[in-house]
Amino acid sequence: SQKIEQNSEALNIQEGKTATLTCNYTNYSPAYLQWYRQDPGRGPVFLLLIRENEKEKRKERLKVTFDTTLKQSLFHITASQPADSATYLCALGGSSNTGKLIFGQGTTLQVKP
Amino acid sequence: GAGVSQSPRYKVAKRGQDVALRCDPISGHVSLFWYQQALGQGPEFLTYFQNEAQLDKSGLPSDRFFAERPEGSVSTLKIQRTQQEDSAVYLCASTLMDRGGKDTQYFGPGTRLTVL
Repeated sequence: SQKIEQNSEALNIQEGKTATLTCNYTNYSPAYLQWYRQDPGRGPVFLLLIRENEKEKRKERLKVTFDTTLKQSLFHITASQPADSATYLCALGGSSNTGKLIFGQGTTLQVKP
Repeated sequence: GAGVSQSPRYKVAKRGQDVALRCDPISGHVSLFWYQQALGQGPEFLTYFQNEAQLDKSGLPSDRFFAERPEGSVSTLKIQRTQQEDSAVYLCASTLMDRGGKDTQYFGPGTRLTVL
């Protein structure tokens, strides 16, 4: 069955450092991958989308890579800030026409001042 | 409003009760999704609407779960004879177009359902 794995343990880093979050998947060939941010008590908020034919995507301090051979995406936040503390979800899509997303369990990031 | 809204935000039900959860998507959005999110987990797909048509309900966990979107805007997720395992946050999301999923999904704040 399709499976998505993200770092199960919380990631704690110091302010100013680069945070790197991992998303691995099996038994799936997504056409694209999305990253979302979720704060406690709120719904996920879209951050970035990367397509299967793209290696890397950037948006301000965010960078996403997508390796379809390794079946892995890496999500980087450079110059991290305490306000970046949240849970980050990766989501795969595109294997059907419905547009539904398959989410990982999320990784909690804590940036300490 | 500018975003997706859901009501109620919190719902406590006794086991065996029926509940109805409402989603108001962003005006004009074609596609609407329902997800279930258990504590500490990512959202899991339940069902999908394109306008008023329910095109995918493969994620509904049992026939106690029913969703509708009769006029292609507001949607209701109904759970009959609630069980404790139904306790979760129910998220609604909408997208402007229907392009096979390449669109950003805009999520509501969710309804936290607790079944006692």
